[in-house]
Amino acid sequence: AQRVTQPEKLLSVFKGAPVELKCNYSYSGSPELFWYVQYSRQRLQLLLRHISRESIKGFTADLNKGETSFHLKKPFAQEEDSAMYYCALSRSYNTDKLIFGTGTRLQVFP
Amino acid sequence: EAGVVQSPRYKIIEKKQPVAFWCNPISGHNTLYWYLQNLGQGPELLIRYENEEAVDDSQLPKDRFSAERLKGVDSTLKIQPAELGDSAVYLCASSLENNEQFFGPGTRLTVL
Repeated sequence: AQRVTQPEKLLSVFKGAPVELKCNYSYSGSPELFWYVQYSRQRLQLLLRHISRESIKGFTADLNKGETSFHLKKPFAQEEDSAMYYCALSRSYNTDKLIFGTGTRLQVFP
Repeated sequence: EAGVVQSPRYKIIEKKQPVAFWCNPISGHNTLYWYLQNLGQGPELLIRYENEEAVDDSQLPKDRFSAERLKGVDSTLKIQPAELGDSAVYLCASSLENNEQFFGPGTRLTVL
């Protein structure tokens, strides 16, 4: 069965510190991986996806098939990065359900 | 563009009562998803529509849950009768063929 694991419920850092939110997945095929973010009192929104290889708001994520990981990184955290982050997997590049992890709350202190 | 619209935003009912949620996807998005999000968990798919056809409803508890998307645009999700364990956030999302899913604000259901 497909599964996404986010081992940290909460990650707290100071402004300007590097951030890494961990995501591991299990899937025997070729997955499409996503990071979604939910800011306070806002809806869930796409931050980035593996296939686009873009850097959004300074965040990057690299798919490591050997380690089955898709960790989210940012070199210098900002207070406005404080939010709930969800890693998600799709079995297809076309329409399919997203399988989400349990999420990591990032708190960035001033 | 309003994005995905859901109503109501909040609903409080007593157990055994029926409840319905409505979703209007982004215009032109043929694929519509209903997800359930329990407290402290990520969203989990209940049902996925391609136009008016339900193509994945394997996680929908069919004894009490039903859904429809009659004209391939907006959709309704119903629970009858509701149980205490149904208290959760119900999310609707829509996408084009590239599977970039846009989420609505959700409906927070409380069953007393």
